[in-house]
Amino acid sequence: DTAVSQTPKYLVTQMGNDKSIKCEQNLGHDTMYWYKQDSKKFLKIMFSYNNKELIINETVPNRFSPKSPDKAHLNLHINSLELGDSAVYFCASSQTGATRETQYFGPGTRLLVL
Amino acid sequence: GDSVTQMEGPVTLSEEAFLTINCTYTATGYPSLFWYVQYPGEGLQLLLKATKADDKGSNKGFEATYRKETTSFHLEKGSVQVSDSAVYFCALSEGNTGGFKTIFGAGTRLFVKA
Repeated sequence: DTAVSQTPKYLVTQMGNDKSIKCEQNLGHDTMYWYKQDSKKFLKIMFSYNNKELIINETVPNRFSPKSPDKAHLNLHINSLELGDSAVYFCASSQTGATRETQYFGPGTRLLVL
Repeated sequence: GDSVTQMEGPVTLSEEAFLTINCTYTATGYPSLFWYVQYPGEGLQLLLKATKADDKGSNKGFEATYRKETTSFHLEKGSVQVSDSAVYFCALSEGNTGGFKTIFGAGTRLFVKA
């Protein structure tokens, strides 16, 4: 059973389109994250939710909107996609306190904007 | 603010060579320290961690010791294999009133030649 899953794995789309990426974790964790990894492998935190509440919101264009319908899910919607949004997006989860914040990552969604 | 600095890559080694990837950190409190590994086409996964000074984390032949006096957490392996080729991320996690936040280094790519 996959602990943290993301869909889709690959996403190719045109500039200006709107797209969503979904994430689900079955670890019972209370915190979920979205990261963006660029072509040089640099990993940047975008958002973090704890028990469905936004707790980290880094400097990210407001075209990016996260949504957590419940503790096990954190989706990312992106409006008006731009070329610079091309990257790999990783979802992750952790349990506050219990494991000193070890994070469990999904396999990534490879987004290419043409 | 808190930060993690790790040696730039890529690091290229022959099989059975000794590996060291340097990592230093700055933090206001007493963070937990981590090494994550990312194999090609996959998400990050925890390699090892240490939660307090002088702790040694170890896994799969890799080791790192939490050195508070030098604010370092260098990753070592005595004999690398081709299958160790991956990107390695040093990270710290520290709690505050807003919850825990994990900060990742820029990643170091390792190539191991047969």
